[in-house]
Amino acid sequence: EAGVTQFPSHSVIEKGQTVTLRCDPISGHDNLYWYRRVMGKEIKFLLHFVKESKQDESGMPNNRFLAERTGGTYSTLKVQPAELEDSGVYFCASRVVDNSPLHFGNGTRLTVT
Amino acid sequence: AQSVAQPEDQVNVAEGNPLTVKCTYSVSGNPYLFWYVQYPNRGLQFLLKYITGDNLVKGSYGFEAEFNKSQTSFHLKKPSALVSDSALYFCAVRDGAAGNKLTFGGGTRVLVKP
Repeated sequence: EAGVTQFPSHSVIEKGQTVTLRCDPISGHDNLYWYRRVMGKEIKFLLHFVKESKQDESGMPNNRFLAERTGGTYSTLKVQPAELEDSGVYFCASRVVDNSPLHFGNGTRLTVT
Repeated sequence: AQSVAQPEDQVNVAEGNPLTVKCTYSVSGNPYLFWYVQYPNRGLQFLLKYITGDNLVKGSYGFEAEFNKSQTSFHLKKPSALVSDSALYFCAVRDGAAGNKLTFGGGTRVLVKP
């Protein structure tokens, strides 16, 4: 089975620009999560989708971040406008049901200069 | 609120020696505990989990972890480390009574020397 796929693997943008990250979960996984690791610190939860609905978006840092999952398949995370402190690695993860392990993608390394 | 602490930024161990990576947690309800490993330029890979049952949990690649409720710990162990075990290890907790999100520790880098 194909794993969680994230695109791009790396992105370098200037402060003030817009970047869109994409995540394709494992087929059939209704639960999709976004996490990020900033400056080598803890991996922080951003939000959780169940199918196309946002179940929990308590970790979204501010309104410059917008996540969507139209149709309940792939998800996008848009940062607009990007700030220096947004640099880090953004991970997407998916799972079938509540207690099953999370399957993570390889992450997108975002660098804002 | 839930939290995880991994007190060591890095653990160095000689190949063939026992490996321990420490983790302590705090949750309001019953803890669901997890260990993940990250190899360079890769995503996090699931190693093992504790939900309920036996306190000693066995996982992938010969790793195991022991749930200790009184000490609120979930240390990761491997009896004989391999050079290929060198990676970044993350402990994570979820409150079984509420919510779906994992809270991760800061990660511990393991370096196994030949």
